[in-house]
Amino acid sequence: DAGVIQSPRHEVTEMGQEVTLRCKPISGHNSLFWYRQTMMRGLELLIYFNNNVPIDDSGMPEDRFSAKMPNASFSTLKIQPSEPRDSAVYFCASIWDGSASDNTGELFFGEGSRLTVL
Amino acid sequence: AQSVTQPDIHITVSEGASLELRCNYSYGATPYLFWYVQSPGQGLQLLLKYFSGDTLVQGIKGFEAEFKRSQSSFNLRKPSVHWSDAAEYFCAVGPYSGGGADGLTFGKGTHLIIQP
Repeated sequence: DAGVIQSPRHEVTEMGQEVTLRCKPISGHNSLFWYRQTMMRGLELLIYFNNNVPIDDSGMPEDRFSAKMPNASFSTLKIQPSEPRDSAVYFCASIWDGSASDNTGELFFGEGSRLTVL
Repeated sequence: AQSVTQPDIHITVSEGASLELRCNYSYGATPYLFWYVQSPGQGLQLLLKYFSGDTLVQGIKGFEAEFKRSQSSFNLRKPSVHWSDAAEYFCAVGPYSGGGADGLTFGKGTHLIIQP
């Protein structure tokens, strides 16, 4: 398996522009998470989906952020309009959330999308 | 609310020396505890996890961790570090269980530096 795939790996944009980050989870995984990593705040959970349904978006910082999961193999995180304080590394992670006996408990992370907003 | 504290932001260890990274958690029920490692420019990789049972758990790359409920701790150890162990280490806690992946709460990480 190719693992969790994120794109783009690096994005540099100007304040006010729309940014779309993409994630392809591991095939067969049914839960997907978006995290943001900064020096100041560490790793923060933004939102997670289970079976393509958003379960908890309480970590989304404000209305400028939105996330979708139209199908089991694709998710997007959109920032519109972007601001310099959104500069961070955004990680997508996935897991098979099944029965306790099946569950390894391991979140599989993508390599991240480094966003710089000028 | 659950939280994780990693008191050491940076730790420097000589190659071949032993290592202990500290992790304290706050959680209202039986926690599920994890240690992840992040190499520069990479995502996070699971080192080991504790769900239940033996409180000393073994992980990959020669790491182990001990769950101490009375101290709310889950410290990571390695008897002899290698230069390739230089990375960022994250402790995480969650209500996670089969049927309920609610997302993990991560500590802010400990940056491990290995000196020759």
